[in-house]
Amino acid sequence: DVKVTQSSRYLVKRTGEKVFLECVQDMDHENMFWYRQDPGLGLRLIYFSYDVKMKEKGDIPEGYSVSREKKERFSLILESASTNQTSMYLCASSRRGPYEQYFGPGTRLTVT
Amino acid sequence: ILNVEQSPQSLHVQEGDSTNFTCSFPSSNFYALHWYRWETAKSPEALFVMTLNGDEKKKGRISATLNTKEGYSYLYIKGSQPEDSATYLCASTMYNNNDMRFGAGTRLTVKP
Repeated sequence: DVKVTQSSRYLVKRTGEKVFLECVQDMDHENMFWYRQDPGLGLRLIYFSYDVKMKEKGDIPEGYSVSREKKERFSLILESASTNQTSMYLCASSRRGPYEQYFGPGTRLTVT
Repeated sequence: ILNVEQSPQSLHVQEGDSTNFTCSFPSSNFYALHWYRWETAKSPEALFVMTLNGDEKKKGRISATLNTKEGYSYLYIKGSQPEDSATYLCASTMYNNNDMRFGAGTRLTVKP
C-alpha cells in the first residue's frame, strides 16, 4: 500500500518561529510537492522537486523554502512564520510524468 | 501560471440524482488532466488521468470526458449517493512540466 506521511497533523507556532514540515514517501517517486489549501482557493503549489537536491518554485513560494536531501524526504521550511501562513499544508508525490499524485494526510498549521 | 477553473463551486443534490461538473484549462501545451476526490478529513485520491482528446474514463457510477482542443473536461456522477459527498478537484499538467495546477474544486453534497 502506497504511503505518504507528514510529520504532524496539527501544529501551533508563534509568529517569527522557524517551522519545519516533513514529508516522507515510500514509493521511490521522483517528484514531490508541497501545497497549501485555503477555503475557496483549492490547492496552491508552493514548491516541487523532481529529483534529489532539485527544486522549483510553484505559484506561491514567498516566505517558504524547501529541502530535498534524500529521494524519499521533502521538507517545507517557514523561515519566520507569519499569521498569513496559517493553513492546511499537503505533501504529495508522483512518478515522473503525467501520473497521479499521492497525498499525505495534511498538516494543519496555526500561527498565532 | 496555468489557470484551471471549475464550476460550479458547490452543488447540493438529492440522493439518486445524476450530476455533472466542469473543468476548463488552457489547451496549449496540454499534457494530462486529472480528477481527484477529496473527502472531509481524508487526503485527495485520484479518480482519473486522461491524456488524449476524446478520452472517456469510467469507474462505477463516475465517468469523465476530455476535450483537449477546447480545453474542458466533464465529470459525471450517475445516481448520486450520500457517500459521493466530497470536493472534486481537477488538475492539469503541461507538456515538459512535472508540476500540476489544480482548480478550486466543486464541493458536492448529496442529501439522503
